[in-house]
Amino acid sequence: DIQMTQSPSSLSASVGDRVTITCRASQGISNYLAWFQQKPGKAPKSLIYAASSLQSGVPSRFSGSGSGTDFTLTISSLQLEDFAAYYCQQYNTYPLTFGGGTKVEIK
Amino acid sequence: EVQLVESGGGLVQPGGSLRLSCAASGFTFRNYAMSWVRQAPGKGLEWVSVISGSGDSTYYADSVKGRFTISRDNSKNTLYLQMNSLRAEDTAVYYCAKHEGPFIVVVTAIDYWGQGTLVTVSS
Repeated sequence: DIQMTQSPSSLSASVGDRVTITCRASQGISNYLAWFQQKPGKAPKSLIYAASSLQSGVPSRFSGSGSGTDFTLTISSLQLEDFAAYYCQQYNTYPLTFGGGTKVEIK
Repeated sequence: EVQLVESGGGLVQPGGSLRLSCAASGFTFRNYAMSWVRQAPGKGLEWVSVISGSGDSTYYADSVKGRFTISRDNSKNTLYLQMNSLRAEDTAVYYCAKHEGPFIVVVTAIDYWGQGTLVTVSS
């Protein structure tokens, strides 16, 4: 199975900060990488697919980059509604696997 | 508007069975692969199973293979997950999720999620 490692597992940031979350795959996955946002008690929401393409309706302050084994999710200017957990997922190979998550908290 | 509404969760004893349903609307259901993804209390996301748009292809996580069966009824726009021989470690919120395309040999990303249904396995 492909292991997905996210870092950091949590971070504290202020409104307006630039935030970067990294995701590393245990083997190459080309660009078959998605990012999801999950708020407490809610279902996940799809943010990015194919490593860098925004899902419809996702604000442009979110961006993704990377290919192969190393990927990043960047929030250019953190807003109140962005405080949540973020998960990466590879969909190159079954079983589909998720990173352990990154919790973005208010500083 | 895409809507996915899960149902069928509840409390079940170890070794018991449960069938989850996911009613889909707002898109042409038969044209899209569907997955089940679960989340144990306080834990991360775990993919469980996927089925192609036509229903003729499926994949499972090793943790549920041989115990869970994914299926769909395209005439009813409904996805199912039959769960047998349930264990305490199957306790989780189960989400259905829509993929961006119909096939599963070439995987596409998940684009929509349901709100989830809680399954608790306990005596």
